[in-house]
Amino acid sequence: DGGITQSPKYLFRKEGQNVTLSCEQNLNHDAMYWYRQDPGQGLRLIYYSQIVNDFQKGDIAEGYSVSREKKESFPLTVTSAQKNPTAFYLCATQLDRGNTEAFFGQGTRLTVV
Amino acid sequence: QQQVKQSPQSLIVQKGGISIINCAYENTAFDYFPWYQQFPGKGPALLIAIRPDVSEKKEGRFTISFNKSAKQFSLHIMDSQPGDSATYFCAASVTGNQFYFGTGTSLTVIP
Repeated sequence: DGGITQSPKYLFRKEGQNVTLSCEQNLNHDAMYWYRQDPGQGLRLIYYSQIVNDFQKGDIAEGYSVSREKKESFPLTVTSAQKNPTAFYLCATQLDRGNTEAFFGQGTRLTVV
Repeated sequence: QQQVKQSPQSLIVQKGGISIINCAYENTAFDYFPWYQQFPGKGPALLIAIRPDVSEKKEGRFTISFNKSAKQFSLHIMDSQPGDSATYFCAASVTGNQFYFGTGTSLTVIP
């Protein structure tokens, strides 16, 4: 929120399809993150990126892919290899990884139909 | 394994009461402990945070209590209001590294 835009807000995917979630920021933050939120499980880290053209796997990266071609953008692709993709996906940024506060977007709710 | 354990899962409090949410951690290298507030359909927002060199931090009606020896920290919401009804997440990190979040507490404040 306040500089982090996630789109779409709601997304429906058929089984076997890849879908891409958008995250754009105008905060000039170096670090960007993707989290998955499931009821009763908190937020789990999927991927993160500290600089352009570099990203690292988080705790649950299987079935997901990312790119960081521009500082402002960090799209997440949910591939058909992700067996249980229905969840609320949150993008977050930090000024840099040494700076502590994380700012979150409004989220995208993905549903497999 | 859960790096940060949070309890209770849900909490119902009367208006004007005190809401208390607890978290525990194992990694003594953690040096930053934030609490996030999340309303339905929205992203979490930072509420208050503490570092382990202090035992308590207060911002308005919100207080973090930190017990380094017990590896526990808690959020206290004084004079709870219906507008405080939300999900609260504790988290911990080593500066420069990823956050580990608790599983969340759904707080309902009854008018």
